Amino acid sequence: NAGVTQTPKFQVLKTGQSMTLQCAQDMNHNSMYWYRQDPGMGLRLIYYSASEGTTDKGEVPNGYNVSRLNKREFSLRLESAAPSQTSVYFCASSALGTGKGANQPQHFGDGTRLSIL
Amino acid sequence: AQKVTQAQTEISVVEKEDVTLDCVYETRDTTYYLFWYKQPPSGELVFLIRRNSFDEQNEISGRYSWNFQKSTSSFNFTITASQVVDSAVYFCALNSGGYQKVTFGTGTKLQVIP
Repeated sequence: NAGVTQTPKFQVLKTGQSMTLQCAQDMNHNSMYWYRQDPGMGLRLIYYSASEGTTDKGEVPNGYNVSRLNKREFSLRLESAAPSQTSVYFCASSALGTGKGANQPQHFGDGTRLSIL
Repeated sequence: AQKVTQAQTEISVVEKEDVTLDCVYETRDTTYYLFWYKQPPSGELVFLIRRNSFDEQNEISGRYSWNFQKSTSSFNFTITASQVVDSAVYFCALNSGGYQKVTFGTGTKLQVIP
């Protein structure tokens, strides 16, 4: 069972370089999310996609863009990487909940460890 | 606005001791959902439990139990007879207001010493 797959697992970039983190889920989930995890700060939401064709900003969207390519795939792009974006990035997905909101459990990928020099 | 506070940054216990991880939440909404996730040293995040605001029934699952109290806005997690495999960072999370955003606490790192 693949679940949520993130690529790459590790990446080192130089300041100013761009790159795209890929995420795919095979659980037919409607909603997908991108988080960053930094020491002492828990997980912070960067962007989310409630359903195919929609994306919205989360708590820390500056410096990032996203694309919901189809129902399975949700990519995160750093246009001009900065050292402050050094972090572990997690993609997650969840099923459509009853009523409104993200009330279903999120399933996470294994994370991408990104270092920006 | 929603907020989750996990005041315990790190906890160390000796194997077989019981341990409780605290979670206090803030929300103005009457309908909300609370979650606990586990992140072992390998790094993946694993869902443990979900509770909605209408269900204050506490739950026991094996060595795990959860105490949800709306009166104190708390959703605490207890591990009975801890084991080394319980060593992980545990996150409490909240979703409210019908939005897609889930707010995570900063996590509690639990170390179980053999």
